[in-house]
Amino acid sequence: DAKTTQPPSMDCAEGRAANLPCNHSTISGNEYVYWYRQIHSQGPQYIIHGLKNNETNEMASLIITEDRKSSTLILPHATLRDTAVYYCIVRSDNYGQNFVFGPGTRLSVLP
Amino acid sequence: EAGVTQFPSHSVIEKGQTVTLRCDPISGHDNLYWYRRVMGKEIKFLLHFVKESKQDESGMPNNRFLAERTGGTYSTLKVQPAELEDSGVYFCASSQDWDSGILTDTQYFGPGTRLTVL
Repeated sequence: DAKTTQPPSMDCAEGRAANLPCNHSTISGNEYVYWYRQIHSQGPQYIIHGLKNNETNEMASLIITEDRKSSTLILPHATLRDTAVYYCIVRSDNYGQNFVFGPGTRLSVLP
Repeated sequence: EAGVTQFPSHSVIEKGQTVTLRCDPISGHDNLYWYRRVMGKEIKFLLHFVKESKQDESGMPNNRFLAERTGGTYSTLKVQPAELEDSGVYFCASSQDWDSGILTDTQYFGPGTRLTVL
């Protein structure tokens, strides 16, 4: 079973920031938080990951709370192309661990 | 750099037939994973190769599924004989070897193969 809880769906206005929450209250010390998204019927696309520090790349920012029990993925200026299902996944850094996908959050970016 | 590729993109077969799916990982990636999503369900792990060796096949549903990765490059997933419940999308992912100094082996997914069993 997935170790994370996400809202099933969210809407966001085009051009605005999309803030996608994720709860992972049982996260262990060696577990990373990963975010992937799946646009329509494509394969899951890697977005970002982090351990305890906030992370930013060209796609998004990841804010992890100090107690690491929750995190927020931020898409700073959402576009229509960001409409997708977003998956928050907790995964240890042990060698070769597979990803356990939950149902994710379906983000709809509205014009 | 080319991403993970999968072939075919779609396959429609009849129950009882055999189908072979192929995955070409990103060049240099020793880890190769197979996942699938059946209708209405979440994406589930099937198995993991490290080079040509099966590291973890705990997600394989039954012995009708056979995965190979000869030579540690591309991988095939054969379903024989196919059943109706095997319909879904099969994803392949790859990641760099642990010895590359990467602390977390981010997996990069292919576009998937949509399998329909009639």
